[in-house]
Amino acid sequence: DIQMTQSPSSLSASVGDRVTITCRASQGIANFLAWYQQKPGKVPQLLISAATTVQSGVPSRFSGSGSGTDFTLTISSLQPEDVATYYCQKYNSAPLTFGGGTKVEIK
Amino acid sequence: EVQLLESGGDLVQPGGSLRLSCAASGLTFSNYAMSWVRQAPGKGLEWVSTITASGGSRYYADSVKGRFTISRDNSKNTFYLQINSLSAEDTAVYYCAKGMYSGTYYFDYWGQGTLVTVSS
Repeated sequence: DIQMTQSPSSLSASVGDRVTITCRASQGIANFLAWYQQKPGKVPQLLISAATTVQSGVPSRFSGSGSGTDFTLTISSLQPEDVATYYCQKYNSAPLTFGGGTKVEIK
Repeated sequence: EVQLLESGGDLVQPGGSLRLSCAASGLTFSNYAMSWVRQAPGKGLEWVSTITASGGSRYYADSVKGRFTISRDNSKNTFYLQINSLSAEDTAVYYCAKGMYSGTYYFDYWGQGTLVTVSS
C-alpha cells in the first residue's frame, strides 16, 4: 500500500508568516490528493482537492501544489484562525490513506 | 445544505458489537458514495470504509477487514457501519463523510462524529 508522509509533524510560526507543509507519497499518485483542515475540537474540512483546486469558501491564502509523489500546502500569510492540524489524503486507489497530520500553532 | 448525522456510538466491552448509522439530508443520497473515517483520541484521521452509490462495491481498511461491514439503505438516506469483535484499538470518534468521486473518493462533507469507546 502507498504510504503518505507529512512533514513537519508540527510547526510554530508568527502571524503573517508563509507556512509550507509537505506531503510525500511512497509511490506516484498523479494529482489525486486532498488537503483537510481540522481546527481544535472540530470536524475536518476539505480545503483542496486534485492537489491544487481550492474549495469554494476557502481563503485565498491557502494554495496547493505538486503532482506524482511530492505535494505542498501553503498558507501565504498565517492568521490566528489557521491554528489547526492539516492532513493530506490520497485517493487514486483504495486504501484512501491520510498523512499523519501537521499541527500548526502561532508563535 | 448537506447534513450528515451519526448515531450509535457507545461504551462497549472488548469483543462486543455495535452498529453505527449516518443519516444524510440535503443531497440526492443515492448518487453518492459514503464513507466512514475514524480518529482515535489525540491521533490522526484513519479511513475505515467506503460504499459506492449503489452499494455494489465496498472497500475496507486492512485494520477492519473481516470485522466491519458497511451498508446503506438509499430509501432511508442512511448508511451504516456494523462493527464486530471490538478491541481497545477501535476506540475512536467515527465520522461519516460524503464522497466525491475522482479516481476513488475524497470527502467534501463530514458529520459531527459519534464516539465509540471499547473498555471493560
